[in-house]
Amino acid sequence: GNSVTQMEGPVTLSEEAFLTINCTYTATGYPSLFWYVQYPGEGLQLLLKATKADDKGSNKGFEATYRKETTSFHLEKGSVQVSDSAVYFCALKIYTGFQKLVFGTGTRLLVSP
Amino acid sequence: DTAVSQTPKYLVTQMGNDKSIKCEQNLGHDTMYWYKQDSKKFLKIMFSYNNKELIINETVPNRFSPKSPDKAHLNLHINSLELGDSAVYFCASCDTASNTEAFFGQGTRLTVV
Repeated sequence: GNSVTQMEGPVTLSEEAFLTINCTYTATGYPSLFWYVQYPGEGLQLLLKATKADDKGSNKGFEATYRKETTSFHLEKGSVQVSDSAVYFCALKIYTGFQKLVFGTGTRLLVSP
Repeated sequence: DTAVSQTPKYLVTQMGNDKSIKCEQNLGHDTMYWYKQDSKKFLKIMFSYNNKELIINETVPNRFSPKSPDKAHLNLHINSLELGDSAVYFCASCDTASNTEAFFGQGTRLTVV
């Protein structure tokens, strides 16, 4: 089947620390991969995406590379800010006769000053 | 010019009542979803419609009934509300033909008392 596994949170960091949130996936075909972010009290918004192997998505200092050989799409940021505190969701989208969007369980990031 | 809009944003109701949540998208997408987010932030897909046809119906009590009058609308009706239905419900839409991301509404926080 199709599934996404994320590291459990919360991840607690100090400002300017390096961030990695792990994400691995299982898919029956060739999915597109996404990271969504949910700030407190808000809906989900796209952070970055990659549609094929070796693509790198980037936005707001965050990066993730689509690694087909390890079926991973880990999220990284070199220096986090307090304003990055949110819940991050890894997701895949795959077409199996219809579009299916599958999410990981989400990882809460807490950044302290 | 909101892409995916849900109403209401907040809904407080008593057990046993029947309520509806509405969702509309103006993106011309052909696929729409309902997700339930629980207190631990887990996102669980409930339903997916493609061009007004039901294509995904996860294990959801049949008190929940989606209705899609046209491909721009996907409403969720819930009968005989229970305490465990309290959650945030998100509507989303995407385009089947492309690798673009899904767009989410702002969510409806349902509280059953």
